[in-house]
Amino acid sequence: SQELEQSPQSLIVQEGKNLTINCTSSKTLYGLYWYKQKYGEGLIFLMMLQKGGEEKSHEKITAKLDEKKQQSSLHITASQPSHAGIYLCGADAGGTSYGKLTFGQGTILTVHP
Amino acid sequence: SQTIHQWPATLVQPVGSPLSLECTVEGTSNPNLYWYRQAAGRGLQLLFYSVGIGQISSEVPQNLSASRPQDRQFILSSKKLLLSDSGFYLCAWSVTYEQYFGPGTRLTVT
Repeated sequence: SQELEQSPQSLIVQEGKNLTINCTSSKTLYGLYWYKQKYGEGLIFLMMLQKGGEEKSHEKITAKLDEKKQQSSLHITASQPSHAGIYLCGADAGGTSYGKLTFGQGTILTVHP
Repeated sequence: SQTIHQWPATLVQPVGSPLSLECTVEGTSNPNLYWYRQAAGRGLQLLFYSVGIGQISSEVPQNLSASRPQDRQFILSSKKLLLSDSGFYLCAWSVTYEQYFGPGTRLTVT
């Protein structure tokens, strides 16, 4: 089965600082999803990457998928308290597993004003 | 626009009691539907997956079952709850590649 490892497990930054969260897969990814979760709430879809070398941005958040499609990074520029939460990466193995996502353990982000 | 609803939002049930959680999606047709559970120390895990009415795939052996009586309705059930069924249950839907989650139900089995 596919496993996803996220690093770091937790991150504390000062408002205005940049940060990066990584997600590494044990297998080649068909699709890589990034979500944000506030404690006790549902997951908010951020971005989905499919192609090797693909990069997507939304506001101050940029996600990249490496050429081999086994590693993704999520970069936040000039962090704000509103960015605080749990960031989860999810993987779609494709084929008969299409749409069935496997998730990493999450990265807890704290942003101090 | 599409929206997804889950209820109840929170639930406290004794061991051995039955369970029914409901998920409905609005604004789309023929979605794939999913039930996930987020438990402490175990991350987010896919429980059930449905591509159409009456079509359910179970991803892990467990004390739970799922049904899809209507195109946009997905129900998670149990006849007798166990302590290990406690967790945060999330329903999700997709039509193309993107997958969207509902607000979740917090289940505590006592």
